[in-house]
Amino acid sequence: GAVVSQHPSWVICKSGTSVKIECRSLDFQATTMFWYRQFPKQSLMLMATSNEGSKATYEQGVEKDKFLINHASLTLSTLTVTSAHPEDSSFYICSARVPGREPQHFGDGTRLSIL
Amino acid sequence: GQQLNQSPQSMFIQEGEDVSMNCTSSSIFNTWLWYKQEPGEGPVLLIALYKAGELTSNGRLTAQFGITRKDSFLNISASIPSDVGIYFCAGQLDSGGSNYKLTFGKGTLLTVNP
Repeated sequence: GAVVSQHPSWVICKSGTSVKIECRSLDFQATTMFWYRQFPKQSLMLMATSNEGSKATYEQGVEKDKFLINHASLTLSTLTVTSAHPEDSSFYICSARVPGREPQHFGDGTRLSIL
Repeated sequence: GQQLNQSPQSMFIQEGEDVSMNCTSSSIFNTWLWYKQEPGEGPVLLIALYKAGELTSNGRLTAQFGITRKDSFLNISASIPSDVGIYFCAGQLDSGGSNYKLTFGKGTLLTVNP
């Protein structure tokens, strides 16, 4: 079945640094990838839709200059949290969709902790 | 963003019992999905429903796509300890411009006592 790999699985860094998270589709080409954010005991909230070769579409209230998304190839999308602060600490999850009618398949998430 | 109404929020059951949870929406979806999430991991797809009225099983799991296209339920029969986790429903609108985005319910936390 479709497999999505996310890296790193967890990261701890100081306030003010930028953090890059990678999302790869391992056995299929994903023209569309999605980035979610999940706070403890809450549901997944869509941050942005990443389309290969074009600009990402951000959900209302998500700062595009804060959360930079790049989808340079059909198997890789990256999310960069720029100048991260403690309030950016969260669980970030990506998903990818096989073209056609297949549902989204999720990565294992990245736990980001900003000190 | 928009969320689905998922209930119950949590369930504490004994091993062997059956479980039922449901999701409702004020708007129509073309696809209903059920995912399970365990601590520190991403959601794993359990069942996908593509047609109104569709009833689909996956082992001890059964899910149905409501006739109105505004609701879905998931049943788990003869629960076992490894069923513990958070179950999410998600609706997908497969129309132009939606980009196949998912709208998630708030989740049902299932605890199974051995």
